[in-house]
Amino acid sequence: KNEVEQSPQNLTAQEGEFITINCSYSVGISALHWLQQHPGGGIVSLFMLSSGKKKHGRLIATINIQEKHSSLHITASHPRDSAVYICAAMEYGNKLVFGAGTILRVKS
Amino acid sequence: DSGVTQTPKHLITATGQRVTLRCSPRSGDLSVYWYQQSLDQGLQFLIQYYNGEERAKGNILERFSAQQFPDLHSELNLSSLELGDSALYFCASSASGEGYNEQFFGPGTRLTVL
Repeated sequence: KNEVEQSPQNLTAQEGEFITINCSYSVGISALHWLQQHPGGGIVSLFMLSSGKKKHGRLIATINIQEKHSSLHITASHPRDSAVYICAAMEYGNKLVFGAGTILRVKS
Repeated sequence: DSGVTQTPKHLITATGQRVTLRCSPRSGDLSVYWYQQSLDQGLQFLIQYYNGEERAKGNILERFSAQQFPDLHSELNLSSLELGDSALYFCASSASGEGYNEQFFGPGTRLTVL
């Protein structure tokens, strides 16, 4: 069993839909990263959170430390949101353990 | 732009060869991390340096080595290359190696071993 599990693996949505990507982890963590990777390959850090909820524009990330679960929500999705979304659990000492990623495609 | 730079962007080489990948962290960041992203293994942590010292080691092969220099840039050396070493190699930097710090990723180096 992977230490960090993401679901779904693939997601296709219509423009404007509300999207949720889930992440469960089994390791002890100090924080959790949500990352975005575009087809060109570059990785952008979207959020780092250790408790509660963070919001940036149309993106919202939540984490429940007791349940070892985090979610990334995208409101009013847009084709430019199409990318791979990766959650990464930050073990103590800053080592990141990555999920396999969720491939999101938003159709117009 | 994360402020982390990596060179070269692309590298094509042959099996058995040795290559060096370079990373410059964001200004002021003391920690550098190296990651490998391959099609079959996904993203994996290789190694972390903090202010010139090795801090943590992950799934790094013995054929690979890294170092961080006094100016805080880091190099990842890959030797006796095999076809399976073809991957994207990312470095990331963070402010410190203590507590939890957001990591900022460079654009990556795409290595192709023929």
